[in-house]
Amino acid sequence: ELKVEQNPLFLSMQEGKNYTIYCNYSTTSDRLYWYRQDPGKSLESLFVLLSNGAVKQEGRLMASLDTKARLSTLHITAAVHDLSATYFCAVDIIANSGYALNFGKGTSLLVTP
Amino acid sequence: GAVVSQHPSWVICKSGTSVKIECRSLDFQATTMFWYRQFPKQSLMLMATSNEGSKATYEQGVEKDKFLINHASLTLSTLTVTSAHPEDSSFYICSAPAPLAEFSSYNEQFFGPGTRLTVL
Repeated sequence: ELKVEQNPLFLSMQEGKNYTIYCNYSTTSDRLYWYRQDPGKSLESLFVLLSNGAVKQEGRLMASLDTKARLSTLHITAAVHDLSATYFCAVDIIANSGYALNFGKGTSLLVTP
Repeated sequence: GAVVSQHPSWVICKSGTSVKIECRSLDFQATTMFWYRQFPKQSLMLMATSNEGSKATYEQGVEKDKFLINHASLTLSTLTVTSAHPEDSSFYICSAPAPLAEFSSYNEQFFGPGTRLTVL
């Protein structure tokens, strides 16, 4: 059974601080996706990581993928309040298919002054 | 990027009634679409795969007679919640795969804005 595990599930951090969210998965997928969800909204795609060693950055967020360790990280640099949201990682249910996704439980991030 | 729409964005209905939710790919064709369900403060769970021209495939534990899926065209899939009950209240999100970029061999899922169903 494919498992996608995120930690932490809840994160409260001060503005200006750095932190990392971890995503472990049990399949041999070479792809991993990160999404952001604001309350009451659908998913916003943040990163699509397509190969081992992939690293992508957008603003204060940086994501990386280690397919050998089956681990992805989402690093937050100098957090600001606008980053408060729930972050999900996901992998293809059928490895590398680009079709249906299996999601982690999500990390609820709250950035406080 | 590709755009997926859903209609309605929210619906309130009485217990025992049926509700239809539409998912459309606006600027691309999708022979396959996916329906997810998200309960409050939980993750998204795949319910079923909608296939144009053939029957939908359902995930374990999802009642196919309760959640009717019809992939009417290459741009439209509908999910009908039949005889809805309060426990069906949830956020329903569809997605459709499309190439990451023009000529890309990689697909990415594009998600609709979701439909919040409340059954009284």
